[in-house]
Amino acid sequence: GAVVSQHPSRVICKSGTSVKIECRSLDFQATTMFWYRQFPKQSLMLMATSNEGSKATYEQGVEKDKFLINHASLTLSTLTVTSAHPEDSSFYICSVETEVDEKLFFGSGTQLSVL
Amino acid sequence: QKEVEQDPGPLSVPEGAIVSLNCTYSNSAFQYFMWYRQYSRKGPELLMYTYSSGNKEDGRFTAQVDKSSKYISLFIRDSQPSDSATYLCAMSADAGTALIFGKGTTLSVSS
Repeated sequence: GAVVSQHPSRVICKSGTSVKIECRSLDFQATTMFWYRQFPKQSLMLMATSNEGSKATYEQGVEKDKFLINHASLTLSTLTVTSAHPEDSSFYICSVETEVDEKLFFGSGTQLSVL
Repeated sequence: QKEVEQDPGPLSVPEGAIVSLNCTYSNSAFQYFMWYRQYSRKGPELLMYTYSSGNKEDGRFTAQVDKSSKYISLFIRDSQPSDSATYLCAMSADAGTALIFGKGTTLSVSS
């Protein structure tokens, strides 16, 4: 199956710092990647859709200036949480859409803890 | 009413039991239905992918979709302790668009 690599797996940072999370598609080129966040015992909530070469599309209620998404190549999308605060502590997961059969595969997730 | 409803459980069964996991949904436009398995603090893993109505079987797993009732199921036969995880249903109206997820059902299989 498709392989999606997400790094780092865990980040602990101080309030006010910025954190970058990388999502790489290892087996194929991905024109579209999705970013989700998941609170404990909650479902995945879509944050934004990342399109290669264009601006990301954010879901309602997600601050685009706080969650910066860059999809500069067909294999890499990054999510930067700027000026992180404790309420940003969550599990962030990327997913990649396959072009062949349009299925979605997920990265292993990043646990962000803001102190 | 939420778009996708899923009983969060937890569901506890003995090893070897047949497990039934279910989701209901309200959007009749949904055509693509998936089941994901998620271990603690890991990304979801795609288990089953079904388009439109019908059944699909893969090893010990069977996915059923009943679009008339807006109801989907995942059956696990001969459940194993390694099946202990959270199972998320997900669906979308268009191929390749972002999925709408259920909250997930936590399953525990005891040996």
